[in-house]
Amino acid sequence: KAGVTQTPRYLIKTRGQQVTLSCSPISGHRSVSWYQQTPGQGLQFLFEYFSETQRNKGNFPGRFSGRQFSNSRSEMNVSTLELGDSALYLCASSSLAGSTGELFFGEGSRLTVL
Amino acid sequence: GIQVEQSPPDLILQEGANSTLRCNFSDSVNNLQWFHQNPWGQLINLFYIPSGTKQNGRLSATTVATERYSLLYVSSSQTTDSGVYFCAVRPFIIQGAQKLVFGQGTRLTINP
Repeated sequence: KAGVTQTPRYLIKTRGQQVTLSCSPISGHRSVSWYQQTPGQGLQFLFEYFSETQRNKGNFPGRFSGRQFSNSRSEMNVSTLELGDSALYLCASSSLAGSTGELFFGEGSRLTVL
Repeated sequence: GIQVEQSPPDLILQEGANSTLRCNFSDSVNNLQWFHQNPWGQLINLFYIPSGTKQNGRLSATTVATERYSLLYVSSSQTTDSGVYFCAVRPFIIQGAQKLVFGQGTRLTINP
């Protein structure tokens, strides 16, 4: 059974550009959530999707957005990139909605903003 | 919001030693997971343990939800155990959401 797949694995952008990251959950999983990891702030929740609906959103500016497709694949977008957006972006999937269920993470997309 | 504190922040041991990593959380939780972050950044699931005790090889974990802490035990450490260990909890009050709140991690270094 394939795990959570994230693409691209590495990317470099410049300030002001935008970026789109993709996440394919484990087959059969319908919940997808996104996290940002930086050395200063640690791992922080961005948002969670279930059945194409955003269920919860973390404390990030509106430049961070996401969506989920009918096949449960998810994308997140960051517009008008800033240097501080350089981070490891991790996607997680779960088979269950709600507050139970084990989360499984992908390998991450490492974004560098120059 | 809920606070998750892991201790110690850093731990350096010789191969073969045993270690205990601690995770304290400030409020009731629905769920708790332990992860090991590999050098490439992926979070590897170790335990899904909202309460009770589990064992997997040289690793074991105990969560005492009523006292708001969890412990991860690593026995007979190997150099491949090196890395950062994270505890993450799902706050009980946030029903219907898969939000995990992470601790700052414990960096474990096992020297040969």
